[in-house]
Amino acid sequence: GAVVSQHPSRVICKSGTSVKIECRSLDFQATTMFWYRQFPKKSLMLMATSNEGSKATYEQGVEKDKFLINHASLTLSTLTVTSAHPEDSSFYICSAGGTGTDTQYFGPGTRLTVL
Amino acid sequence: SQKIEQNSEALNIQEGKTATLTCNYTNYSPAYLQWYRQDPGRGPVFLLLIRENEKEKRKERLKVTFDTTLKQSLFHITASQPADSATYLCALSGTYKYIFGTGTRLKVLA
Repeated sequence: GAVVSQHPSRVICKSGTSVKIECRSLDFQATTMFWYRQFPKKSLMLMATSNEGSKATYEQGVEKDKFLINHASLTLSTLTVTSAHPEDSSFYICSAGGTGTDTQYFGPGTRLTVL
Repeated sequence: SQKIEQNSEALNIQEGKTATLTCNYTNYSPAYLQWYRQDPGRGPVFLLLIRENEKEKRKERLKVTFDTTLKQSLFHITASQPADSATYLCALSGTYKYIFGTGTRLKVLA
């Protein structure tokens, strides 16, 4: 099956620093990747849709200058949380969908804690 | 606005019984519906996809039904096992953008 990896799995940082999270599709090419945020015992909230070679499409209420997304290749998308604050602490999950596929395959998630 | 509801936040059943989880939606006409399993601290894992023109889909002990008139999907796990304990999410999609339900935490008691 399709495998998506995320790195790092956990990160703790100080308030004001920036954190980059990588999402890779390991065995397929992903023209579209998605970034989600999940709070404890809550569902996944779509933050943005990332298309290879073009600008990401952000959901309403998501600050594009805060959450920078880059989809430089068909196997890699990155999410950078800039000037992180404690309220940015959350579980961030990426998913990838290949061309012509209906299913999104999710990465294992990244737990971000901002002190 | 589009809304998805999963029948209960938590569901406890005895091992060996059939677990039935419900996903209801409003103000949406999805082309297909998917069910995912999520374990604590992990990303969702794809289980089954059912399209709008399909009534039922099966995979081993799993069965999904999709009623576009009732705007409802049922997810069944037969002969449930403690290892089936997890949160199950339904997701709707019309194109490639997904809308997720809040999930049902299933606990199978030994």
